[in-house]
Amino acid sequence: AQKVTQAQTEISVVEKEDVTLDCVYETRDTTYYLFWYKQPPSGELVFLIRRNSFDEQNEISGRYSWNFQKSTSSFNFTITASQVVDSAVYFCALSEQGSGGSNYKLTFGKGTLLTVNP
Amino acid sequence: DAGVIQSPRHEVTEMGQEVTLRCKPISGHNSLFWYRQTMMRGLELLIYFNNNVPIDDSGMPEDRFSAKMPNASFSTLKIQPSEPRDSAVYFCASSLATGPSNQPQHFGDGTRLSIL
Repeated sequence: AQKVTQAQTEISVVEKEDVTLDCVYETRDTTYYLFWYKQPPSGELVFLIRRNSFDEQNEISGRYSWNFQKSTSSFNFTITASQVVDSAVYFCALSEQGSGGSNYKLTFGKGTLLTVNP
Repeated sequence: DAGVIQSPRHEVTEMGQEVTLRCKPISGHNSLFWYRQTMMRGLELLIYFNNNVPIDDSGMPEDRFSAKMPNASFSTLKIQPSEPRDSAVYFCASSLATGPSNQPQHFGDGTRLSIL
C-alpha cells in the first residue's frame, strides 16, 4: 500500500525566514505522481504542484521551490522569505493506479501546519 | 474561470435526516471525486467518477452513502440517514483524465457538515 509521511506536524517561523516542509513517500509503482496542496484557514484546498516520477528536476515558482529525490523517496517543499499569508496546512500527496486503471487515486499525508508570525 | 462549485458551504442537521451535498465540476473536466476530511482520518477518497460513470466507490463508508452524476456538470453525495459520526468536511474535486494519466485534481471549497 502507498504511504505518505509528513513528519512535521506543526512548524512556526517568523516572517522572512525560509522554511522547508518534508515529505517522504512509499510506493511500489514505477510510474507515479507527487503533489503539494495548500489549505489556508478558510478551508479550501489549493493545488500547488504536480511532479511525475520520471522528472527529478527541481522546480521553482516565485518564493516556492520543490526538491524531488527519488533515491530517498522525498519530495520536499521550501518557502523562501516566508510571509504571514503562507500560514496554512500543507499536504503532500501521491497518486497511484486505482481499480479504475488510471493514476487517479490520491493518498494524502497528514499535513503540516505552518504558522508564519509577523 | 470558475472553479469547482460546492453547495451548501455549511450544513447543520439532526441525526436521522437526509443530507444532500452538491457539486459542479470545472467545465471540460471528465473526472469527478468526492473526498471526506476528518481530524482522525485526514483526507479520504469516497468515490471517483469518469465520464459520469462511477469507477471506484471502494471508499464509500456504508450503504447510507450514495453518489450520483446524472450529467457532466452536476454530482450529488447523499447521506440517508445521517449520523453524528458523518460530521466532516466533504470536498468535491475534478480533473481532466487523458488515458492512464490524470491531470491535477482541483478542489471545491468544501461543505462543512455537522450532524447533531
